[in-house]
Amino acid sequence: NAGVTQTPKFRILKIGQSMTLQCTQDMNHNYMYWYRQDPGMGLKLIYYSVGAGITDKGEVPNGYNVSRSTTEDFPLRLELAAPSQTSVYFCASSYSGFVLAGNNEQFFGPGTRLTVL
Amino acid sequence: QQQVKQSPQSLIVQKGGIPIINCAYENTAFDYFPWYQQFPGKGPALLIAIRPDVSEKKEGRFTISFNKSAKQFSLHIMDSQPGDSATYFCAASIGGSARQLTFGSGTQLTVLP
Repeated sequence: NAGVTQTPKFRILKIGQSMTLQCTQDMNHNYMYWYRQDPGMGLKLIYYSVGAGITDKGEVPNGYNVSRSTTEDFPLRLELAAPSQTSVYFCASSYSGFVLAGNNEQFFGPGTRLTVL
Repeated sequence: QQQVKQSPQSLIVQKGGIPIINCAYENTAFDYFPWYQQFPGKGPALLIAIRPDVSEKKEGRFTISFNKSAKQFSLHIMDSQPGDSATYFCAASIGGSARQLTFGSGTQLTVLP
């Protein structure tokens, strides 16, 4: 199993450009998540999905959109890139929505480092 | 405010030392406290977690100590090795819910050979 894969690994955008960060998991997990990690800060949840066709906002959803057409894929869309969106983006997945120790943990992808200039 | 405050920001120890990373929280509704380990260029990975009904949990060289009355919990790494050099994040959740995980700001640990 490849686990959670993310593309691209790095990207530089100009202000106002748009892009889609791709995330795919091959573990047949129901739940998928998008986080951003700013320097010196912990991860903050942007959006999550409990299954194909169902998404919901996390703590910091403004400026982002998501879709979940299949179990495997959960792309994150930036429509009008802003410097405040410069960050490292992590996608994660879990079998259920509860991250109890030793069961249903979240598995993270390697991240996408995005810079908006 | 669902905050988790983590300290120190960075930590350097010699091989064999016992680094201790501390976290404090305010929201008494938190009932699940995981620690994540993140190596450079990688995503975080669950290391160990504790529920508030126990005061200590050990998994190999990693130990979580939990003080419910003080609303604090800490990670201890016994016999630390250079391979333990990573960034460590504490987190807290309500009801074990993944969408309500609140992360600390992280501690960059360096273990010198």
